[in-house]
Amino acid sequence: QLQLQESGPGLVKPSETLSLTCSVSGGSISSSSHYWGCIRQPPGKGLEWIGSIYYSGSTYYNPSLESRVTMSVDTSKNQFSLKLSSVTAADTAVYYCARLTGLAVDWYFDLWGRGTLVTVSS
Amino acid sequence: SSELTQDPAVSVALGQTVRITCQGDTLRNYYPSWYQQKPGQAPVLVIYGKKNRPSGIPDRFSGSSSGNTASLTITGAQAEDEADYYCNSRDSSGNHVLFGGGTKLTVL
Repeated sequence: QLQLQESGPGLVKPSETLSLTCSVSGGSISSSSHYWGCIRQPPGKGLEWIGSIYYSGSTYYNPSLESRVTMSVDTSKNQFSLKLSSVTAADTAVYYCARLTGLAVDWYFDLWGRGTLVTVSS
Repeated sequence: SSELTQDPAVSVALGQTVRITCQGDTLRNYYPSWYQQKPGQAPVLVIYGKKNRPSGIPDRFSGSSSGNTASLTITGAQAEDEADYYCNSRDSSGNHVLFGGGTKLTVL
């Protein structure tokens, strides 16, 4: 059964770059049927989509975060990654990796990692 | 506008039926999906493609959509259904993902 696992720094200083790696096990990240996504959830708040990436490297980013976000994929390691630059306390959140599935008229996240809390603080 | 609106909180008596709604213009063009999130846990997909249930999701969960409004209905709510529920869809450009603000369901 396919699983996703996030790995992140736990603590990042303001103005630095947050790096998150999502590892896929039990299946291939090179599936033609899926994108892979990053979603975050600040403490006590709702879900916010950060971006999605295809195994070919094609990306879509949340317009509100696009200037600070870079996602990449490493098919040899079955991993994809998120970098979020110039972080502030507002970027403190649980960060999730998830599989994005769907057809032309819908997209949905059908598998999620457990999430990892990233705190921005000096 | 490209946003999805949900009521912040809804309550239901044990065993009764509750409807959680999600509104947004993008729902006229794209199907909604719904997620259940319990405290300290990752979200779980409960409805996709407007009304489909993933394997393992009880059939008391159902979805529908008409015009700019999508609904998640729980028929015979159980104590374990108490959770936050989020809708999601594609935005009007078709290239981005939207989440609603979430609805906290309390089972009385």
